[in-house]
Amino acid sequence: NAGVMQNPRHLVRRRGQEARLRCSPMKGHSHVYWYRQLPEEGLKFMVYLQKENIIDESGMPKERFSAEFPKEGPSILRIQQVVRGDSAAYFCASSEQGGEQFFGPGTRLTVL
Amino acid sequence: GDSVTQMEGPVTLSEEAFLTINCTYTATGYPSLFWYVQYPGEGLQLLLKATKADDKGSNKGFEATYRKETTSFHLEKGSVQVSDSAVYFCALSDSPGAQKLVFGQGTRLTINP
Repeated sequence: NAGVMQNPRHLVRRRGQEARLRCSPMKGHSHVYWYRQLPEEGLKFMVYLQKENIIDESGMPKERFSAEFPKEGPSILRIQQVVRGDSAAYFCASSEQGGEQFFGPGTRLTVL
Repeated sequence: GDSVTQMEGPVTLSEEAFLTINCTYTATGYPSLFWYVQYPGEGLQLLLKATKADDKGSNKGFEATYRKETTSFHLEKGSVQVSDSAVYFCALSDSPGAQKLVFGQGTRLTINP
């Protein structure tokens, strides 16, 4: 049973470009969470989604960031017009209803 | 809001030494408490958890006890190994279903042979 998959593992963007990060949850999991880890810091919650619904986006920056989890396909975290401060590791986790969160390996975004 | 404070690192120990990593929390209500471990280049893995006061979580020789009176969840291991070198995160969830997790800043542990 494959774990949570994220791609790409490493992403380099120039300032002003768009970044798209993908997360495929574990089989049977319908809940997805995105977290951001800045260098030498802990993970900060960004958003919690179920299929086709955003449940809690209290940790998402108000501008430039969006997330979706369509009926088919992976969850996408989209960052428009990236800035250097967006450089971080972005982790996705998935779970069953009310269950343990399983984390993916992360996408390391570098903004030049 | 809810928060988690961890012992600052890095922590460097010799193999077979005793390990303690302190963790205290602030939360309304009765959170669930977790320790996660992150090995280099990998995502986080759940190490252990406790869901109510006085519960003891344990796994792979690591233990932590949910202390409501001191709002603490310190991680301990009696004899560490080189393979325990990693970053350890304390976390809480204010719902039993472990939805939004609130993490401490992490403690980097290095074990020397």
